[in-house]
Amino acid sequence: GAVVSQHPSWVICKSGTSVKIECRSLDFQATTMFWYRQFPKQSLMLMATSNEGSKATYEQGVEKDKFLINHASLTLSTLTVTSAHPEDSSFYICSAPSPTSGYNEQFFGPGTRLTVL
Amino acid sequence: GENVEQHPSTLSVQEGDSAVIKCTYSDSASNYFPWYKQELGKRPQLIIDIRSNVGEKKDQRIAVTLNKTAKHFSLHITETQPEDSAVYFCAADNQGGKLIFGQGTELSVKP
Repeated sequence: GAVVSQHPSWVICKSGTSVKIECRSLDFQATTMFWYRQFPKQSLMLMATSNEGSKATYEQGVEKDKFLINHASLTLSTLTVTSAHPEDSSFYICSAPSPTSGYNEQFFGPGTRLTVL
Repeated sequence: GENVEQHPSTLSVQEGDSAVIKCTYSDSASNYFPWYKQELGKRPQLIIDIRSNVGEKKDQRIAVTLNKTAKHFSLHITETQPEDSAVYFCAADNQGGKLIFGQGTELSVKP
């Protein structure tokens, strides 16, 4: 099946610094990837759609200048949390639809646990 | 936009009993409805999905039903086992991959 990886799996940073999270599709190409955020004991919330070769599309209420998304190639999307603060501490998960699954089925990365001190 | 409501938020059953989790969605254009199982700190794991042209789908102990008219779909787990204990999420997709998730159900199966 399709495999999506994320790096790093966890990161701890100081308030005010920026953190970059990578999402890679390992055995398929993904022109679109999605970024979700999940706070403890809550659901996954869609943050943005990452589009290869064009700007990301952000969901209502998500600050595009704070959460920078770059879809650099057909297998890599990055999410940069700029000037991170403790309230940004969360579990960030990416997903990509596999073309062999009719583009509906999403393959999720393992997630990145961000802790901002 | 799409809104997905999921009930109950917690569910406790005895081993061997059935568990049912229900979801409603708001956007009639939604055409794909996956169910995920998520263990603590891990990625969501697809357990079953259904498309809008199908009313019911079954995979061993797991089944999903969809009522397009009423805009609701349900997950049925029969003969529950302790290893079924986890958080379950329903979701709806109407825009080629954008998943809107329900709030989640914490299922506890007591031996």
